[in-house]
Amino acid sequence: EVQLLESGGDLVQPGGSLRLSCAASGFTFSTNAMSWVRQAPGKGLEWVSGTSGGGSTYYADSVKGRFSISRDNSKNMLYLQMNNLRAEDTALYYCAKVMHSSVIRDAFDFWGQGTLVTVSS
Amino acid sequence: DIVMTQSPDSLAVSLGERATINCKSSQSVLYSSNNKNYLAWYQQKPGQPPKVLIYWASTRESGVPDRFSGSGSGTDFTLTISSLQAEDVAVYYCHQYYSTPQTFGQGTKLEIK
Repeated sequence: EVQLLESGGDLVQPGGSLRLSCAASGFTFSTNAMSWVRQAPGKGLEWVSGTSGGGSTYYADSVKGRFSISRDNSKNMLYLQMNNLRAEDTALYYCAKVMHSSVIRDAFDFWGQGTLVTVSS
Repeated sequence: DIVMTQSPDSLAVSLGERATINCKSSQSVLYSSNNKNYLAWYQQKPGQPPKVLIYWASTRESGVPDRFSGSGSGTDFTLTISSLQAEDVAVYYCHQYYSTPQTFGQGTKLEIK
């Protein structure tokens, strides 16, 4: 059974940093592309960042230069390092598994329950 | 960036009736080399993560009831629920994965009339 468990969300002041983690199990993590998708309270879905099975990384313009996605295939872990956080980064952050392949150009078939990041003074 | 625009924003349909949600992309999401539309549909119920219903614009995910269907190509897509059930009340999103940044439609809230 595929499981994705996010952690690391917290209340942080503007300009602060956080690292989100996603523990994956039930599939071959090392060869699967993964993404982070966020949802601000009461709003829609926004793709944030993705990484291919080969380790290539991709970012939304809104987070480029501030966020960094990484993976530890030996631990089946996905990370999102978030720096210089802004109020508009407040959201529930989901870890999502790509359906079929190692490339990120694919739909998401499994999502975690999310971890909440609140940026406020 | 490819902008995804859904219509309507909200929709109320009677039980057993058809529900239709549209999604239009600002650029084609049809990849000519494999003739696939890089378009998915998700259902999100309150307090839950999204659930994939349809991918490649018209392929139903395993376990999804056959009352859900997807159609369209290029820039215009439709999600159809042929006979609305009470458990279909949710917000529905389209998603293009043709190019990065990947983008979602704004969502369509489906309710019972």
